[in-house]
Amino acid sequence: SQQGEEDPQALSIQEGENATMNCSYKTSINNLQWYRQNSGRGLVHLILIRSNEREKHSGRLRVTLDTSKKSSSLLITASRAADTASYFCATDGWGTGGFKTIFGAGTRLFVKA
Amino acid sequence: EAQVTQNPRYLITVTGKKLTVTCSQNMNHEYMSWYRQDPGLGLRQIYYSMNVEVTDKGDVPEGYKVSRKEKRNFPLILESPSPNQTSLYFCASSLLGGALYGYTFGSGTRLTVV
Repeated sequence: SQQGEEDPQALSIQEGENATMNCSYKTSINNLQWYRQNSGRGLVHLILIRSNEREKHSGRLRVTLDTSKKSSSLLITASRAADTASYFCATDGWGTGGFKTIFGAGTRLFVKA
Repeated sequence: EAQVTQNPRYLITVTGKKLTVTCSQNMNHEYMSWYRQDPGLGLRQIYYSMNVEVTDKGDVPEGYKVSRKEKRNFPLILESPSPNQTSLYFCASSLLGGALYGYTFGSGTRLTVV
């Protein structure tokens, strides 16, 4: 099963509203990252939060990390139509199988103009 | 411009015909990795490389080979492609295993095996 699991799978909001996506993971991590993907194109790195950090901001993005619950959330404030994309969380960490980067299945965000 | 370049962007091939997807980065990154993306499954790691001549298996390495003879290049080789390898493939690189700045991704290679 996937380590990182996003919730919800799909989200549809109006322009100007906030969008919140959640990610859960199973093992110990060094960091957690969020990426954006526009329709079958390459992923674009948005933000990285280290395991000893609890919250991080970048422009309209706010990421939180709760290592006790093994979960993270990505908040996009004042969403725009151009934010329409799929969003993925990814975790980096060392396990019994070596160094692993594991992506979730993604949240599809649709922002209506 | 700092980038990861994959080639080709699209490829249709027949079962059993060996192929190579190239990946090159110009950022002097130590770490490179290959993923495949399938609907509903997100990205799954195929192989990764911490540095030149150092490669290791990801979660779905079966049917794939890689090599890292020089820092900038990390080709993905399918010795005998099968239809279940039809997928969207991404190469990514990072300074040090994603621990600092995350990964830079290529634009993807859409492979169809018939």
